[in-house]
Amino acid sequence: AQSVTQLGSHVSVSEGALVLLRCNYSSSVPPYLFWYVQYPNQGLQLLLKYTSAATLVKGINGFEAEFKKSETSFHLTKPSAHMSDAAEYFCAVTPTQGGSEKLVFGKGTKLTVNP
Amino acid sequence: EAGVTQFPSHSVIEKGQTVTLRCDPISGHDNLYWYRRVMGKEIKFLLHFVKESKQDESGMPNNRFLAERTGGTYSTLKVQPAELEDSGVYFCASSQFLADTQYFGPGTRLTVL
Repeated sequence: AQSVTQLGSHVSVSEGALVLLRCNYSSSVPPYLFWYVQYPNQGLQLLLKYTSAATLVKGINGFEAEFKKSETSFHLTKPSAHMSDAAEYFCAVTPTQGGSEKLVFGKGTKLTVNP
Repeated sequence: EAGVTQFPSHSVIEKGQTVTLRCDPISGHDNLYWYRRVMGKEIKFLLHFVKESKQDESGMPNNRFLAERTGGTYSTLKVQPAELEDSGVYFCASSQFLADTQYFGPGTRLTVL
């Protein structure tokens, strides 16, 4: 069965610093991978996704993630944190590389950005 | 284009009562999913509709939960009778047929006292 591990339930960075949120997955077949963000009092919004094309994926708001099959990782990065990036971030996978599949989520990482 | 909407945004009920949550997907989306996040834990899949048919209900916790999607449009999730452990945030998501991107609603926060 697929599983997702997000290392660090809380991450704190200074404004302007690098953001690195870690995600490792376990899957018997290459999955699709997603990062979602939830801002306070809002629903989940898709940041970016990997669907077997380019391994370096660029998303919205300056975020990007790199799929590393050998490390079973899909870490999310942003070169310079902004106060508006404060939110909870979720990594998710689908069981197979197909559409219309259920998502398996990690526990989420809350990002705090300090001025 | 309107996004996924959910009603109510919050619900507080007593143990043993019944609650019905509603989800309106994005117009034209055949796929509709329900997920739940219990406090401190990960978001977990409950079930998946394709149009009005249940494609996968492997995540439904027990028979106190009943989901419907009559006519293939909006969906309801009924919890009867509610237990304390049912508290959490219930998310609905929708996607186009065979699409990999799911669009989420804002969630319904259910508190069972």
